Amino acid sequence: DAGITQSPRYKITETGRQVTLMCHQTWSHSYMFWYRQDLGHGLRLIYYSAAADITDKGEVPDGYVVSRSKTENFPLTLESATRSQTSVYFCASSDGTESEQFFGPGTRLTVL
Amino acid sequence: DQQVKQNSPSLSVQEGRISILNCDYTNSMFDYFLWYKKYPAEGPTFLISISSIKDKNEDGRFTVFLNKSAKHLSLHIVPSQPGDSAVYFCAVMGYGNKLVFGAGTILRVKS
Repeated sequence: DAGITQSPRYKITETGRQVTLMCHQTWSHSYMFWYRQDLGHGLRLIYYSAAADITDKGEVPDGYVVSRSKTENFPLTLESATRSQTSVYFCASSDGTESEQFFGPGTRLTVL
Repeated sequence: DQQVKQNSPSLSVQEGRISILNCDYTNSMFDYFLWYKKYPAEGPTFLISISSIKDKNEDGRFTVFLNKSAKHLSLHIVPSQPGDSAVYFCAVMGYGNKLVFGAGTILRVKS
């Protein structure tokens, strides 16, 4: 399917476990982003990538790790999940400057 | 400090009337502004954008106005339709194509 997909759509995990959220886009967009959405905060940027093997921190990167070995994939790993990381996570991609970002459907993560 | 503020958490409008959603930003260096719409259990979808060289941009029923001196932008929807009921996020684009979002405004269009 063309577009941007995320998996899983829903995940329940326990405190301290490692979790990886997957993001895949078929447009060959150079930029990819991870956001989390929390009530009262809108969407906040966790990490972003300008190209394969180039990543940088966003506004709320603590507790998260990313990698981007291929242009189309941008996984987000919570190395040791905490309850404060319960959120809805959105992946997005774009093809350059002053262009809109296209968002995936989101992953709802619950950390017990 | 919030760089982008949407001060109205919610707005209720009658079908056929105008909806006006507002957004304020703090950094005068921002030069590209966007509005996204989000339905429950879906990702945000791009609605309309405006560059700082313009003060208005229209796309069908949607118009975005930018007042750079006041660091304020607004989204006008006219006429409003029940299908417009959603959460609307204002966003500004910073360095590295990063978006900074406001907290969102829930729009309810009553039929």
